[in-house]
Amino acid sequence: SQQGEEDPQALSIQEGENATMNCSYKTSINNLQWYRQNSGRGLVHLILIRSNEREKHSGRLRVTLDTSKKSSSLLITASRAADTASYFCATDAGNSGYALNFGKGTSLLVTP
Amino acid sequence: DGGITQSPKYLFRKEGQNVTLSCEQNLNHDAMYWYRQDPGQGLRLIYYSQIVNDFQKGDIAEGYSVSREKKESFPLTVTSAQKNPTAFYLCASRQGTGLAEAFFGQGTRLTVV
Repeated sequence: SQQGEEDPQALSIQEGENATMNCSYKTSINNLQWYRQNSGRGLVHLILIRSNEREKHSGRLRVTLDTSKKSSSLLITASRAADTASYFCATDAGNSGYALNFGKGTSLLVTP
Repeated sequence: DGGITQSPKYLFRKEGQNVTLSCEQNLNHDAMYWYRQDPGQGLRLIYYSQIVNDFQKGDIAEGYSVSREKKESFPLTVTSAQKNPTAFYLCASRQGTGLAEAFFGQGTRLTVV
């Protein structure tokens, strides 16, 4: 079952601007992860935030987690054309062998 | 280089045929997964395996079968019972803990002709 839901579905910005994507989920989690997918390729892990963490940084990425609202956000600062991709949040499925549940993703377009 | 490899990249299937998608990993991961992705959609879990010789159905297992005879290999067969098999298939592996990231192959695009 797809637990995560990203918002917005699509986002178009110019280089240098910040991009914010949101993710909501339904059940309790151990951690939440964000992945990136370039068109027609596999997914690449970006960042993992544990349920007891509220914020995490990695380079130009900033992830927040609000377990009371069952939501997370991914902020990409100073975006570049190379950031153009789809971004997915994923949560553990609990009893499904630690399989990750993915949302439908946010499609980000960064124009020069 | 450690990684996870899917083959072929593109696959064409005639109506009524079974086809097998390959997935191999050399990351020494215990857990492996198959996902299906349709256009504009997220990933849906087909099958997963936590250890050799054991696998479980995911959310959309009907029309698919798998085997896990070796730790590094987790092939997926798309059978003729799968009525709408055209999709992008992704294989992933993960260390058997809830705090590990998943590693994905580059995907196989299956088209029914």
